[in-house]
Amino acid sequence: EADIYQTPRYLVIGTGKKITLECSQTMGHDKMYWYQQDPGMELHLIHYSYGVNSTEKGDLSSESTVSRIRTEHFPLTLESARPSHTSQYLCATDRGRGNEQFFGPGTRLTVL
Amino acid sequence: AQKVTQAQTEISVVEKEDVTLDCVYETRDTTYYLFWYKQPPSGELVFLIRRNSFDEQNEISGRYSWNFQKSTSSFNFTITASQVVDSAVYFCAPRDNAGNMLTFGGGTRLMVKP
Repeated sequence: EADIYQTPRYLVIGTGKKITLECSQTMGHDKMYWYQQDPGMELHLIHYSYGVNSTEKGDLSSESTVSRIRTEHFPLTLESARPSHTSQYLCATDRGRGNEQFFGPGTRLTVL
Repeated sequence: AQKVTQAQTEISVVEKEDVTLDCVYETRDTTYYLFWYKQPPSGELVFLIRRNSFDEQNEISGRYSWNFQKSTSSFNFTITASQVVDSAVYFCAPRDNAGNMLTFGGGTRLMVKP
């Protein structure tokens, strides 16, 4: 079973605030991912990383940024949150091609 | 690029009924991978099954079984003797050969009533 942690689980903030969503894993996997999911809708990949110092944008454009300084951590940052950023953000990791992705519990973000 | 169609947006069954969730995908890759995930109300995605495009053998695992038909690009998932705890949104997701991205379908919401 994968050990992927996301904090906070729930976050309600005001417009204009800077926020960082944390994601960490203890699996030692090189690949990590961030997905955005609106309630009841499909998941969209917004960022991924092949390993330390590697970050790529996914197929859904996002105003967020990510960093990968350590294998275990893949934080996502919004410099200035807006109501349009309200969504669930899911972090995932895997061993590479062909393998299943393991997901964290998600962060439900609400921007007022 | 890959595309996934889960035509059934919502299914409602009574406990102990069998239910099949449909998935049709499009891909240009000759080698790819297919996955099913379950998302209960808690929001976390739970991995269920994986299939390689070069292995069309269908299998059964407990109450779960799947039917992979490469000729029709379908990867259907069946739950036998459904239970209330099976109530969730189920996502079908192919993964390209480069292995970078899962492409998620719109999901099928399954409601199992007692």
